[in-house]
Amino acid sequence: GEDVEQSLFLSVREGDSSVINCTYTDSSSTYLYWYKQEPGAGLQLLTYIFSNMDMKQDQRLTVLLNKKDKHLSLRIADTQTGDSAIYFCAETRMDSSYKLIFGSGTRLLVRP
Amino acid sequence: SQTIHQWPATLVQPVGSPLSLECTVEGTSNPNLYWYRQAAGRGLQLLFYSVGIGQISSEVPQNLSASRPQDRQFILSSKKLLLSDSGFYLCAWSKGGGLQETQYFGPGTRLLVL
Repeated sequence: GEDVEQSLFLSVREGDSSVINCTYTDSSSTYLYWYKQEPGAGLQLLTYIFSNMDMKQDQRLTVLLNKKDKHLSLRIADTQTGDSAIYFCAETRMDSSYKLIFGSGTRLLVRP
Repeated sequence: SQTIHQWPATLVQPVGSPLSLECTVEGTSNPNLYWYRQAAGRGLQLLFYSVGIGQISSEVPQNLSASRPQDRQFILSSKKLLLSDSGFYLCAWSKGGGLQETQYFGPGTRLLVL
């Protein structure tokens, strides 16, 4: 995960918006993903964005991609306690099609 | 719909013992299959991937091996476990035959080597 970086921890109050950030280094990234991992569980795909898109919205989730700055963010509106989990950013690249490159994950804690 | 299973869910093994973790996928044919390891507090590291029966690619040199005896079965093995093999092992699948297909993960196996 050394080429994909995320902050380690984010704490928000229930009902507020959460913004989880991710930076990547390879300009050949094609797809960028957000996965959610609840304690002791596998990874759940939340959403993904193709690299020629700037934004994707899916219910409470908004993904923003700034390709110039190689910056990806996930915004969760009206954050709930059930959103508490680790969120992983991941990318695939043209030169390694089968490989997902993961960040280290951001632990989101939602306070009541 | 497609589902992916892994077992066992949790495993405690002594150093030097063998290992066999199994992953199966239902509801799809000829998937790409993957084994990842997640160390505590870290992201995921790809260990192996397979694009077909008997076809295994290794991403990192290590104490583990993988096999794909059937189209939708992927096995992770070791002849002698090391302490450093402890971790959370995740199997994933994606649609075969295409590039950039989304990967879907199983529930994982937590391995503790003592």
